[in-house]
Amino acid sequence: ETGVTQTPRHLVMGMTNKKSLKCEQHLGHNAMYWYKQSAKKPLELMFVYNFKEQTENNSVPSRFSPECPNSSHLFLHLHTLQPEDSALYLCASSQDWSGYNYGYTFGSGTRLTVV
Amino acid sequence: TQLLEQSPQFLSIQEGENLTVYCNSSSVFSSLQWYRQEPGEGPVLLVTVVTGGEVKKLKRLTFQFGDARKDSSLHITAAQPGDTGLYLCAGYYGGSQGNLIFGKGTKLSVKP
Repeated sequence: ETGVTQTPRHLVMGMTNKKSLKCEQHLGHNAMYWYKQSAKKPLELMFVYNFKEQTENNSVPSRFSPECPNSSHLFLHLHTLQPEDSALYLCASSQDWSGYNYGYTFGSGTRLTVV
Repeated sequence: TQLLEQSPQFLSIQEGENLTVYCNSSSVFSSLQWYRQEPGEGPVLLVTVVTGGEVKKLKRLTFQFGDARKDSSLHITAAQPGDTGLYLCAGYYGGSQGNLIFGKGTKLSVKP
């Protein structure tokens, strides 16, 4: 596979569940990102990892916990979520740490519904 | 806080028509990117513009970066149903870390 792959594509979870989203990139990129996309809002940056090190956490609630075991894989661990956390969660990667020159390559996203 | 305003929010046109969508900010950006997102998919990069006044063409799409690097436009000639999607602009404002700031997007529907 090439590009950025996200699994699962769809996820329905109860507020007391624990689940994880997975992202994998086969592009040799050095930076990976988690974004949240909600209706009527701009894409919201959640976390940034550069060379496996977390470089940014945009005041995200602790019920979202990222993990980056290597530069190709990124996880988002979810627990005790709220219904307002329902959204499309997008993973992205970039060749350079900012996306300035080459932009971001996004995965297809995980559509999360919290019930 | 840097904000990108995109207009219009929604646009529904017939196949063959021309259209322009806009991206405006109160901040100067080092670069600006346009993405297209189709339903059920992630955004796909269309173009990056860096120099004030720069114009780039991608087939029927023409992108322009404002002279002051605070605004950009995307013009589509003879729109086709395949152009349907959400068009997002994203600006890079620099800084020690620096990340892209996205607008809310223009949702385009091209009807056959």
